[in-house]
Amino acid sequence: AQSVSQHNHHVILSEAASLELGCNYSYGGTVNLFWYVQYPGQHLQLLLKYFSGDPLVKGIKGFEAEFIKSKFSFNLRKPSVQWSDTAEYFCAVRSGGGADGLTFGKGTHLIIQP
Amino acid sequence: DAGVIQSPRHEVTEMGQEVTLRCKPISGHDYLFWYRQTMMRGLELLIYFNNNVPIDDSGMPEDRFSAKMPNASFSTLKIQPSEPRDSAVYFCASSLAGLSPQHFGDGTRLSIL
Repeated sequence: AQSVSQHNHHVILSEAASLELGCNYSYGGTVNLFWYVQYPGQHLQLLLKYFSGDPLVKGIKGFEAEFIKSKFSFNLRKPSVQWSDTAEYFCAVRSGGGADGLTFGKGTHLIIQP
Repeated sequence: DAGVIQSPRHEVTEMGQEVTLRCKPISGHDYLFWYRQTMMRGLELLIYFNNNVPIDDSGMPEDRFSAKMPNASFSTLKIQPSEPRDSAVYFCASSLAGLSPQHFGDGTRLSIL
């Protein structure tokens, strides 16, 4: 069975600070990895995804993530956060090559102080 | 483009009542997923369909929960009888076949009193 661990449940940063949210997964086979964002009162939106190829993937709104296979990690980064980045961030995994359901982490609640 | 459409957005009902949540996937998407989001357990997959056929329902918590997909443009998640611990936000998502990411609806916030 797959599992996803997000180590930081709450993160508070000031505007312009750099961001890194940790995500580790457990699954023995090929995986597809995702980061979703949920703004207050809204549905989940895809930030970025990794299927194969370059392990450094770039997403929307200046976010990027790096897949490190040896560490089973897929950390999300942004060099300079904005107040509008305040949201809940979810890391998710599914077995590669299929269209199975996603296994989500518990989420990280990010608060950006102006 | 119309995204995934869920109804109702909010539902408040008394325990013991039947609850029906509805979802219209994005046109042309072959896969439909139902998730539940709670503070304690986060986002959990309940069931998913491929071409209207249930593929994996191992996440459905109890026999009180059932889901159907009578056609490619409509799915329901039913809880009968409902209990207070069923209170959660229920999301529907759809995707194309293969490696497509999932697109989520706005969710139904369910409160069972």
